[in-house]
Amino acid sequence: NAGVTQTPKFQVLKTGQSMTLQCAQDMNHNSMYWYRQDPGMGLRLIYYSASEGTTDKGEVPNGYNVSRLNKREFSLRLESAAPSQTSVYFCASSPLAPSTDTQYFGPGTRLTVL
Amino acid sequence: SQKIEQNSEALNIQEGKTATLTCNYTNYSPAYLQWYRQDPGRGPVFLLLIRENEKEKRKERLKVTFDTTLKQSLFHITASQPADSATYLCARRRDDKIIFGKGTRLHILP
Repeated sequence: NAGVTQTPKFQVLKTGQSMTLQCAQDMNHNSMYWYRQDPGMGLRLIYYSASEGTTDKGEVPNGYNVSRLNKREFSLRLESAAPSQTSVYFCASSPLAPSTDTQYFGPGTRLTVL
Repeated sequence: SQKIEQNSEALNIQEGKTATLTCNYTNYSPAYLQWYRQDPGRGPVFLLLIRENEKEKRKERLKVTFDTTLKQSLFHITASQPADSATYLCARRRDDKIIFGKGTRLHILP
């Protein structure tokens, strides 16, 4: 099993450009999450999906949109990138409803917005 | 609001000694606390979960305690090794989500 995979690994954008971060898991988990991690700020939840067909806002959703394409895939879209969105983005999944079990993280996407 | 607080200062421990990391939480006790390890350039990896009614949990050289009176969890690594150097994150439930502390960087000095 590959676990949680993310693409791309690195990305540089100019302000105003858009892009989609892809995430997939092969563990048949119900719940999936997107976090961003910044120095001194720790991991902050952007959006999550408790199950296929549902999505909810986390702590810092502004400037992002998500799509739970199917049970395996959960994408994060930046419609108009801003320098404040420079960060490391992690996707995670867990087998049960949010917060009742451990989270499995992907390797991360390092995004720089110029 | 419910928060998780970890000492953001780096912790330097001599190889072979026991490293102890602290996680403090606010408001009511969560049903459980989780501990994760994160290496540079990688995603966090789950280590241990301790429930509110468990005082202590062990896994090999790792031990976690949960003190609801102090609103605190301690994470111990015994017989520490340089390979234990990493950032360790504590996490708790808030509403229907998990929130993480900022982590403590641990350096095991040879």
